[in-house]
Amino acid sequence: SYVLTQPPSVSVAPGQTARITCGGDNIGSKSLYWYQQKSGQAPVLVIYDDRDRPSGIPERFSGSNSGNTATLTISRVEAGDEADYYCQVWHGATDLRVFGGGTKLTVL
Amino acid sequence: QVHLQESGPRLVKPSETLSLTCVVSGGSVHNNYWSWIRQPPGKGLEWIGYIYGSGSTTYNPTLRSRVTISGDTSKNQVSLKMSSVTAADTAVYYCAKTNYYYMDVWGKGTTVAVS
Repeated sequence: SYVLTQPPSVSVAPGQTARITCGGDNIGSKSLYWYQQKSGQAPVLVIYDDRDRPSGIPERFSGSNSGNTATLTISRVEAGDEADYYCQVWHGATDLRVFGGGTKLTVL
Repeated sequence: QVHLQESGPRLVKPSETLSLTCVVSGGSVHNNYWSWIRQPPGKGLEWIGYIYGSGSTTYNPTLRSRVTISGDTSKNQVSLKMSSVTAADTAVYYCAKTNYYYMDVWGKGTTVAVS
């Protein structure tokens, strides 16, 4: 099965830039999706197809994907960005949707 | 805007079958993909499987032997059944509209405890 690896936690001060990584074998060849899950709430899609933002997601959220690492970048971090972030891919060989273990973003 | 509402028993006994329903509003079950995802307390997300309309399904192989996802286009809802549950199946269960590759609209989730 395909494994996605995320750091358990990332901390950043308000106004700074947060980068959350998602590692996987040749992940750059796959489309990458990112979800934000605030405490006690359902996940919300924030990035699809590596770098596109759904309607309503601030431009501060951006994504990149190359080689064995994908990155979610959050610029000018705000207190309201504090959440768990999950990456996800579609594993074509098995038709499975695979999630990373999640990264807890703490805004200091 | 699609809205999803999950419902079902909050408590299920070990070895019994968990049954959940997801009512879809603002969209049609027909010709769309719908996934179930779960999240054990304090843990990450696990994709359970999907259904296309009321037809084809794909399941996570780790759960395939115990899971059935069905769709009812007349009631505009999708359902999840999971048999032989154990404490490890205690989780929040989410229904999500699926753009085949990813989940673009999620329900609020329903909490199920096995005890």
